[in-house]
Amino acid sequence: GENVEQHPSTLSVQEGDSAVIKCTYSDSASNYFPWYKQELGKRPQLIIDIRSNVGEKKDQRIAVTLNKTAKHFSLHITETQPEDSAVYFCAARGQKVTFGTGTKLQVIP
Amino acid sequence: DGGITQSPKYLFRKEGQNVTLSCEQNLNHDAMYWYRQDPGQGLRLIYYSQIVNDFQKGDIAEGYSVSREKKESFPLTVTSAQKNPTAFYLCASSMSNEQYFGPGTRLTVT
Repeated sequence: GENVEQHPSTLSVQEGDSAVIKCTYSDSASNYFPWYKQELGKRPQLIIDIRSNVGEKKDQRIAVTLNKTAKHFSLHITETQPEDSAVYFCAARGQKVTFGTGTKLQVIP
Repeated sequence: DGGITQSPKYLFRKEGQNVTLSCEQNLNHDAMYWYRQDPGQGLRLIYYSQIVNDFQKGDIAEGYSVSREKKESFPLTVTSAQKNPTAFYLCASSMSNEQYFGPGTRLTVT
Protein backbone atom coordinates (compact mmCIF):
# COMPACT_ATOMS: atom_id res chain seq x y z
CA GLY A 1 0.00 0.00 0.00
CA GLU A 2 0.87 3.67 -0.07
CA ASN A 3 3.37 5.06 2.43
CA VAL A 4 3.63 8.81 2.99
CA GLU A 5 6.47 10.30 5.00
CA GLN A 6 6.39 13.90 6.17
CA HIS A 7 9.19 16.09 7.54
CA PRO A 8 9.85 17.88 9.77
CA SER A 9 7.49 16.91 12.59
CA THR A 10 7.87 20.36 14.18
CA LEU A 11 8.94 23.65 12.65
CA SER A 12 9.43 27.05 14.27
CA VAL A 13 9.93 30.16 12.15
CA GLN A 14 10.01 33.87 12.80
CA GLU A 15 7.06 35.86 11.55
CA GLY A 16 7.73 36.96 7.98
CA ASP A 17 10.08 34.07 7.19
CA SER A 18 9.23 31.18 4.89
CA ALA A 19 8.28 27.65 5.95
CA VAL A 20 8.78 24.50 3.91
CA ILE A 21 7.28 21.09 4.65
CA LYS A 22 8.26 18.05 2.62
CA CYS A 23 6.55 14.76 1.89
CA THR A 24 7.49 11.63 0.00
CA TYR A 25 5.20 8.90 -1.24
CA SER A 26 5.75 5.35 -2.44
CA ASP A 27 2.92 4.48 -4.83
CA SER A 28 3.61 5.74 -8.33
CA ALA A 29 -0.12 5.39 -9.09
CA SER A 30 -0.99 8.21 -6.67
CA ASN A 31 -2.26 11.16 -8.68
CA TYR A 32 -3.69 13.69 -6.23
CA PHE A 33 -1.81 15.41 -3.41
CA PRO A 34 -3.74 17.62 -0.97
CA TRP A 35 -2.48 19.62 1.99
CA TYR A 36 -4.63 20.13 5.07
CA LYS A 37 -4.31 22.61 7.91
CA GLN A 38 -5.63 21.69 11.33
CA GLU A 39 -5.85 24.32 14.02
CA LEU A 40 -5.96 23.21 17.63
CA GLY A 41 -9.22 21.46 18.45
CA LYS A 42 -10.62 21.93 14.94
CA ARG A 43 -11.17 19.79 11.87
CA PRO A 44 -8.58 19.53 9.08
CA GLN A 45 -9.30 21.87 6.19
CA LEU A 46 -7.94 21.72 2.66
CA ILE A 47 -5.61 24.63 1.90
CA ILE A 48 -4.15 23.62 -1.46
CA ASP A 49 -3.90 20.56 -3.67
CA ILE A 50 -2.05 19.48 -6.76
CA ARG A 51 -2.70 16.86 -9.38
CA SER A 52 -0.06 14.68 -10.94
CA ASN A 53 -0.09 16.45 -14.29
CA VAL A 54 1.06 19.72 -12.71
CA GLY A 55 4.46 20.59 -11.25
CA GLU A 56 3.60 23.63 -9.19
CA LYS A 57 0.56 25.48 -7.93
CA LYS A 58 0.31 28.77 -6.05
CA ASP A 59 -2.42 30.43 -4.04
CA GLN A 60 -1.36 33.76 -2.56
CA ARG A 61 1.24 32.97 0.15
CA ILE A 62 1.13 29.20 -0.23
CA ALA A 63 2.50 27.02 -2.97
CA VAL A 64 2.94 23.33 -3.58
CA THR A 65 5.51 21.66 -5.81
CA LEU A 66 5.44 18.08 -7.08
CA ASN A 67 8.27 15.97 -8.43
CA LYS A 68 6.69 12.78 -9.75
CA THR A 69 9.99 11.22 -10.74
CA ALA A 70 11.36 11.51 -7.24
CA LYS A 71 7.92 10.95 -5.65
CA HIS A 72 8.07 13.98 -3.42
CA PHE A 73 6.00 17.10 -2.95
CA SER A 74 6.41 20.15 -0.76
CA LEU A 75 4.37 22.92 0.80
CA HIS A 76 5.84 26.41 0.84
CA ILE A 77 4.42 29.21 2.97
CA THR A 78 5.91 32.65 2.46
CA GLU A 79 5.66 35.74 4.69
CA THR A 80 4.42 33.60 7.57
CA GLN A 81 1.97 35.08 10.06
CA PRO A 82 1.05 33.94 13.59
CA GLU A 83 -2.29 32.65 12.28
CA ASP A 84 -0.38 30.18 10.12
CA SER A 85 0.48 28.31 13.33
CA ALA A 86 -1.21 24.91 13.10
CA VAL A 87 -0.57 21.29 12.22
CA TYR A 88 -0.20 20.64 8.50
CA PHE A 89 -0.83 17.27 6.88
CA CYS A 90 0.13 16.13 3.42
CA ALA A 91 -1.67 13.27 1.73
CA ALA A 92 -1.43 11.16 -1.39
CA ARG A 93 -4.37 9.60 -3.17
CA GLY A 94 -4.20 6.47 -5.23
CA GLN A 95 -6.94 3.96 -4.57
CA LYS A 96 -7.47 5.67 -1.22
CA VAL A 97 -6.03 8.63 0.63
CA THR A 98 -2.96 8.14 2.84
CA PHE A 99 -1.90 10.94 5.17
CA GLY A 100 1.48 11.98 6.44
CA THR A 101 2.10 12.19 10.17
CA GLY A 102 1.81 15.95 10.34
CA THR A 103 4.03 18.99 10.92
CA LYS A 104 3.38 21.32 13.81
CA LEU A 105 4.25 24.80 12.58
CA GLN A 106 4.84 27.58 15.08
CA VAL A 107 5.20 31.12 13.82
CA ILE A 108 6.90 33.30 16.40
CA PRO A 109 5.75 36.95 16.42
CA ASP B 1 -17.95 24.25 7.95
CA GLY B 2 -21.51 22.97 7.68
CA GLY B 3 -22.59 19.90 5.78
CA ILE B 4 -20.93 17.12 7.75
CA THR B 5 -21.63 16.60 11.41
CA GLN B 6 -20.45 14.25 14.10
CA SER B 7 -21.96 13.61 17.46
CA PRO B 8 -21.28 13.70 20.27
CA LYS B 9 -18.19 15.92 20.54
CA TYR B 10 -16.97 14.09 23.65
CA LEU B 11 -17.81 10.51 24.60
CA PHE B 12 -16.83 8.53 27.66
CA ARG B 13 -17.23 4.77 28.00
CA LYS B 14 -16.15 1.98 30.26
CA GLU B 15 -13.83 -0.69 28.96
CA GLY B 16 -15.71 -3.65 27.50
CA GLN B 17 -18.60 -1.61 26.11
CA ASN B 18 -19.32 -1.11 22.44
CA VAL B 19 -19.93 2.48 21.39
CA THR B 20 -21.28 3.96 18.16
CA LEU B 21 -20.11 7.29 16.75
CA SER B 22 -22.43 9.19 14.46
CA CYS B 23 -21.51 10.83 11.14
CA GLU B 24 -24.06 12.58 8.92
CA GLN B 25 -23.60 14.64 5.75
CA ASN B 26 -26.02 16.61 3.60
CA LEU B 27 -23.52 17.33 0.82
CA ASN B 28 -24.83 14.53 -1.38
CA HIS B 29 -21.37 13.00 -1.38
CA ASP B 30 -21.02 9.37 -2.44
CA ALA B 31 -17.89 8.55 -0.46
CA MET B 32 -17.45 8.64 3.30
CA TYR B 33 -14.49 7.85 5.52
CA TRP B 34 -13.54 7.25 9.13
CA TYR B 35 -10.12 8.21 10.46
CA ARG B 36 -8.49 7.89 13.82
CA GLN B 37 -6.09 10.62 14.95
CA ASP B 38 -3.48 10.00 17.62
CA PRO B 39 -0.71 12.40 18.60
CA GLY B 40 2.27 12.12 16.26
CA GLN B 41 0.59 9.58 13.98
CA GLY B 42 -1.48 11.71 11.67
CA LEU B 43 -4.77 10.42 10.34
CA ARG B 44 -5.14 6.68 9.90
CA LEU B 45 -7.94 5.24 7.81
CA ILE B 46 -10.31 2.87 9.59
CA TYR B 47 -13.05 2.23 7.03
CA TYR B 48 -14.34 3.89 3.90
CA SER B 49 -17.43 3.62 1.77
CA GLN B 50 -17.63 4.70 -1.86
CA ILE B 51 -21.32 3.98 -2.28
CA VAL B 52 -24.37 3.04 -0.27
CA ASN B 53 -24.43 -0.55 1.03
CA ASP B 54 -20.71 -0.99 0.33
CA PHE B 55 -17.67 -0.35 2.49
CA GLN B 56 -14.03 -1.36 2.63
CA LYS B 57 -11.50 -1.87 5.40
CA GLY B 58 -8.84 0.75 5.77
CA ASP B 59 -5.43 0.38 7.37
CA ILE B 60 -6.58 -0.15 10.97
CA ALA B 61 -10.04 -1.78 10.77
CA GLU B 62 -9.56 -4.35 13.54
CA GLY B 63 -11.94 -3.77 16.42
CA TYR B 64 -14.22 -1.46 14.42
CA SER B 65 -17.36 -1.96 12.35
CA VAL B 66 -19.42 0.30 10.09
CA SER B 67 -22.62 0.35 8.09
CA ARG B 68 -23.77 2.43 5.13
CA GLU B 69 -27.51 1.94 4.82
CA LYS B 70 -28.13 5.53 3.74
CA LYS B 71 -26.07 7.90 1.63
CA GLU B 72 -26.15 10.53 4.36
CA SER B 73 -25.02 8.36 7.25
CA PHE B 74 -21.90 6.33 8.05
CA PRO B 75 -21.86 5.30 11.73
CA LEU B 76 -18.76 3.76 13.28
CA THR B 77 -18.96 1.21 16.10
CA VAL B 78 -15.93 0.85 18.34
CA THR B 79 -16.15 -2.64 19.75
CA SER B 80 -14.67 -4.09 22.92
CA ALA B 81 -12.15 -5.89 20.69
CA GLN B 82 -10.37 -2.60 19.92
CA LYS B 83 -7.37 -2.64 22.24
CA ASN B 84 -6.68 1.10 22.40
CA PRO B 85 -9.95 2.87 21.60
CA THR B 86 -9.19 6.20 23.27
CA ALA B 87 -8.57 8.63 20.39
CA PHE B 88 -9.96 11.47 18.31
CA TYR B 89 -12.19 10.15 15.53
CA LEU B 90 -12.78 12.11 12.33
CA CYS B 91 -15.36 11.41 9.69
CA ALA B 92 -15.02 12.78 6.17
CA SER B 93 -16.94 12.75 2.90
CA SER B 94 -16.03 13.46 -0.69
CA MET B 95 -17.54 13.64 -4.15
CA SER B 96 -14.30 13.44 -6.08
CA ASN B 97 -10.89 14.19 -4.61
CA GLU B 98 -11.36 16.84 -1.93
CA GLN B 99 -12.39 15.49 1.46
CA TYR B 100 -14.55 17.48 3.86
CA PHE B 101 -14.08 16.64 7.50
CA GLY B 102 -16.52 16.64 10.37
CA PRO B 103 -15.67 18.31 13.69
CA GLY B 104 -14.61 15.02 15.27
CA THR B 105 -15.52 12.98 18.33
CA ARG B 106 -13.08 12.56 21.18
CA LEU B 107 -13.64 9.11 22.69
CA THR B 108 -12.23 8.25 26.10
CA VAL B 109 -12.43 4.68 27.36
CA THR B 110 -11.46 3.93 30.95
